[in-house]
Amino acid sequence: GAGVSQSPRYKVAKRGQDVALRCDPISGHVSLFWYQQALGQGPEFLTYFQNEAQLDKSGLPSDRFFAERPEGSVSTLKIQRTQQEDSAVYLCASSHTVPGSYNEQFFGPGTRLTVL
Amino acid sequence: TQLLEQSPQFLSIQEGENLTVYCNSSSVFSSLQWYRQEPGEGPVLLVTVVTGGEVKKLKRLTFQFGDARKDSSLHITAAQPGDTGLYLCAGAGYGQNFVFGPGTRLSVLP
Repeated sequence: GAGVSQSPRYKVAKRGQDVALRCDPISGHVSLFWYQQALGQGPEFLTYFQNEAQLDKSGLPSDRFFAERPEGSVSTLKIQRTQQEDSAVYLCASSHTVPGSYNEQFFGPGTRLTVL
Repeated sequence: TQLLEQSPQFLSIQEGENLTVYCNSSSVFSSLQWYRQEPGEGPVLLVTVVTGGEVKKLKRLTFQFGDARKDSSLHITAAQPGDTGLYLCAGAGYGQNFVFGPGTRLSVLP
């Protein structure tokens, strides 16, 4: 497909379980971003990759959150020992440029994570 | 940390009315973007503004970037039900990642 895809679209986890969320960016896009969007809020930045390098992980809320993009394309966001406060929509976005004035991000549909 | 505020938080209007939503910050941004997000989907970029005082028009939508590059507004003329959604502004310093505001949830009733 031409757009950013994410899987699964919905994930229900029991508290304490590990989850892995996948993002397939637009082919050839250099930059990849992960955001967390709580209900009724705007997206909050989690982490940024330029190709395979994770250049900014300042938004990851705890060491239970881990992201990788080993070959500079597909990315996985992993959350270990999930907690109820992790319930949110996790958005992935990609861009063909590095951050700058005209950086247009293309967003995927998100994965809605519910932790029971 | 750059913080963006948006107002109003919620807005419900009748089809055909005009409206303006606002995005404000105490920080100066090199660029500011507006997105619209519909339920179950990711945000979609509407416009990027980079020059203080800049005005951009996209059909019935008019975007303005404040002279000091700290605030922006989105004006919709003759709103339609298809304009319903969450309107997000996002600002960035030069070379930095974008920070999003909390959004304005717009509902246009037929």
